[in-house]
Amino acid sequence: DVKVTQSSRYLVKRTGEKVFLECVQDMDHENMFWYRQDPGLGLRLIYFSYDVKMKEKGDIPEGYSVSREKKERFSLILESASTNQTSMYLCASSAGNTIYFGEGSWLTVV
Amino acid sequence: QKEVEQNSGPLSVPEGAIASLNCTYSDRGSQSFFWYRQYSGKSPELIMFIYSNGDKEDGRFTAQLNKASQYVSLLIRDSQPSDSATYLCAVNRGRDDKIIFGKGTRLHILP
Repeated sequence: DVKVTQSSRYLVKRTGEKVFLECVQDMDHENMFWYRQDPGLGLRLIYFSYDVKMKEKGDIPEGYSVSREKKERFSLILESASTNQTSMYLCASSAGNTIYFGEGSWLTVV
Repeated sequence: QKEVEQNSGPLSVPEGAIASLNCTYSDRGSQSFFWYRQYSGKSPELIMFIYSNGDKEDGRFTAQLNKASQYVSLLIRDSQPSDSATYLCAVNRGRDDKIIFGKGTRLHILP
């Protein structure tokens, strides 16, 4: 089975803090993704990566950055958290077209 | 026009009946189509994919694709209360190979 692991499931951070969300996949997938999901807005792609050290902006990259130093690990960084970044964040990986999701990280910014 | 459109629901179906979930997409170059199920508070899980026109069956689930009409559907036979969830349609956008998700349809199976 494909396993995508998000180490932090529930976080509460203060406005202005730097936040790291970590994701690891164990299937040697080349492609990795970060989405956020909000009620009424669905899944929105923040960033994705097709290879180590490569990154591409998704639909809503503002306020976020990513890091992919190793193939299995893709990190999402909120440089200065704001309340409008309160959301569920989903990491995913894929080989070909099929995307597999991690369990999600619920972030609350206060 | 939204790239992937789904009725948000909720769609209420009696237990044992057939649930029919629909999705339309705008990019005629799309080649791959996916259905994900998402329980409340959980992440989406892949339940079916379809690439060719016609029907694809997997247990109680049937995916139907009509590329001419840009339409993909998911049928759930013998609906069970455990099928109550949000169903996300996803489409591989032809022009740049990105996967685009619809906002999902909430399905409620009535016991």
